[in-house]
Amino acid sequence: KQEVTQIPAALSVPEGENLVLNCSFTDSAIYNLQWFRQDPGKGLTSLLLIQSSQREQTSGRLNASLDKSSGRSTLYIAASQPGDSATYLCAVRPKMDSSYKLIFGSGTRLLVRP
Amino acid sequence: DGGITQSPKYLFRKEGQNVTLSCEQNLNHDAMYWYRQDPGQGLRLIYYSQIVNDFQKGDIAEGYSVSREKKESFPLTVTSAQKNPTAFYLCASSRVSRQNTGELFFGEGSRLTVL
Repeated sequence: KQEVTQIPAALSVPEGENLVLNCSFTDSAIYNLQWFRQDPGKGLTSLLLIQSSQREQTSGRLNASLDKSSGRSTLYIAASQPGDSATYLCAVRPKMDSSYKLIFGSGTRLLVRP
Repeated sequence: DGGITQSPKYLFRKEGQNVTLSCEQNLNHDAMYWYRQDPGQGLRLIYYSQIVNDFQKGDIAEGYSVSREKKESFPLTVTSAQKNPTAFYLCASSRVSRQNTGELFFGEGSRLTVL
């Protein structure tokens, strides 16, 4: 059974720091991995989608990498800002049956201090 | 603008009542989903639909029902049989592709509180 883990559950950093959020999954048979941002009381916003054949994706100050063989993905945030404070979730789409389901991690709550 | 609209944003229900949460999308996506989010937990899938007039149970379907009469709409009914319905409910949609690689997009959520 596919399981997705995000460690740490919470992270606090001073403004300007570069930081890395971690996501691990137990089964490497996936179609893709997606990173989301969630602000309190809001829905999820898609940040980056990495297909299983890709190693990384970049969008502005964000860079996500994928290592299927080790079951790991990282989200790198450069020059963090207070506006980056939010919960970050990763999710994998497993290759099972013909399902379109995603399996989510519990998220990392990020606080960027001014 | 294209997107997913959920309503109502906040809903209060008395025990024993059924309530229906609305989800509409204008992204022309074939697949739609309902997730439940509880504090400190990941999202859990309630129901999903890959095509009109067809839907499948997710991991926690008991006490919920859905319909998919139109491509744009996927309403969720929380029935009185749901033992612990207080939660944040999220609707999502994606394209359906042969490689199963569709990016998932979410609505803003509906918070249901049982009094």
